[in-house]
Amino acid sequence: DGGITQSPKYLFRKEGQNVTLSCEQNLNHDAMYWYRQDPGQGLRLIYYSQIVNDFQKGDIAEGYSVSREKKESFPLTVTSAQKNPTAFYLCASSGGAVGTDTQYFGPGTRLTVL
Amino acid sequence: GQQVMQIPQYQHVQEGEDFTTYCNSSTTLSNIQWYKQRPGGHPVFLIQLVKSGEVKKQKRLTFQFGEAKKNSSLHITATQTTYVGTYFCAANNAGNMLTFGGGTRLMVKP
Repeated sequence: DGGITQSPKYLFRKEGQNVTLSCEQNLNHDAMYWYRQDPGQGLRLIYYSQIVNDFQKGDIAEGYSVSREKKESFPLTVTSAQKNPTAFYLCASSGGAVGTDTQYFGPGTRLTVL
Repeated sequence: GQQVMQIPQYQHVQEGEDFTTYCNSSTTLSNIQWYKQRPGGHPVFLIQLVKSGEVKKQKRLTFQFGEAKKNSSLHITATQTTYVGTYFCAANNAGNMLTFGGGTRLMVKP
């Protein structure tokens, strides 16, 4: 069963703690992305990666970090430097050149920082 | 950078009424994609438009790409409650990342 999985679905953390969100895909896609969505808002790009061991900052990368050690995995770390981390985080992947092809989204992780 | 404006932000319609959302870009686009996000869910790809003036249909949904490739619209004929959700356009300008519009949230009264 192909697709993108994100875990956990809901995550609660105390202020000042780093937290890592998981994203795994078995679609054999090269490109992967992380977006942030705030209530009633659109999607804002945090980071993207076209290939293993390479990634680029998106529009709102400050306070976040990523890694791409495997093609299937693109974890996102929300650091304590992120001033307002509570949000819905969506991971996506695409088969073509980054930014041009259809994007397939995971179910998302709702992060609440207390 | 590229900006994509989507209007309206919200739309309440009675079941059976039509619905339209509009997407406007500040630059000429290579293509535009449309996604739907159900309440509490994640965006799901609907369609991609590439050619100037292109029109595509999916059941009750009609998608149009403007002649100048700077705007697009999604029209739903005789909306049903199953169409509830937020519709996003995502614009691609050659060589750049997809830029998502702010979305139009459709609410349907049965």
